[in-house]
Amino acid sequence: SQKIEQNSEALNIQEGKTATLTCNYTNYSPAYLQWYRQDPGRGPVFLLLIRENEKEKRKERLKVTFDTTLKQSLFHITASQPADSATYLCAHQAGTALIFGKGTTLSVSS
Amino acid sequence: GAGVSQSPSNKVTEKGKDVELRCDPISGHTALYWYRQRLGQGLEFLIYFQGNSAPDKSGLPSDRFSAERTGESVSTLTIQRTQQEDSAVYLCASSFGTSADTQYFGPGTRLTVL
Repeated sequence: SQKIEQNSEALNIQEGKTATLTCNYTNYSPAYLQWYRQDPGRGPVFLLLIRENEKEKRKERLKVTFDTTLKQSLFHITASQPADSATYLCAHQAGTALIFGKGTTLSVSS
Repeated sequence: GAGVSQSPSNKVTEKGKDVELRCDPISGHTALYWYRQRLGQGLEFLIYFQGNSAPDKSGLPSDRFSAERTGESVSTLTIQRTQQEDSAVYLCASSFGTSADTQYFGPGTRLTVL
């Protein structure tokens, strides 16, 4: 069955460092992957979408890569800030639904 | 309103009771989704509405769960004879058209079944 996994449940880093989150998929080849941010008590908020023919996508301090050979997407936040602390979810399309990973909770300490 | 709204924000019910959860999508969004998020888990797809097409109910976990949508507006998710394992946050999302479009999520309804 199609699986999407975010291996790290939690990531703790210091302010100013680059955070790197991993999303791996197995048994399928998604046409694109999406990344969302979720704060406690709120619904997810869309951040970036990267297509299989795109190696990299950037938005301000965010960068997403898509490696179809490794079956992996990496999500980077450069110059991280405490306000970046949240849970980050990757998702892929399966039929009509988005299938989400369990998320990685990022904590940025000052 | 600018975003997706859901009501109630919190619902506590007793096992065996029926509950109705409401979602108001963004105006003009033809697609509407319901997800369930258990504590510490990822989002679990429940059901998808697209315009006047038949809904995709493939994610509904049992026949106790049902959902309706009136045209391209409000949707209600109904859980009959609630069980403790139904306790979760129920999230609604809407998008402009196809499932490939960005989904905009509401704040969710936290359901607690005692």
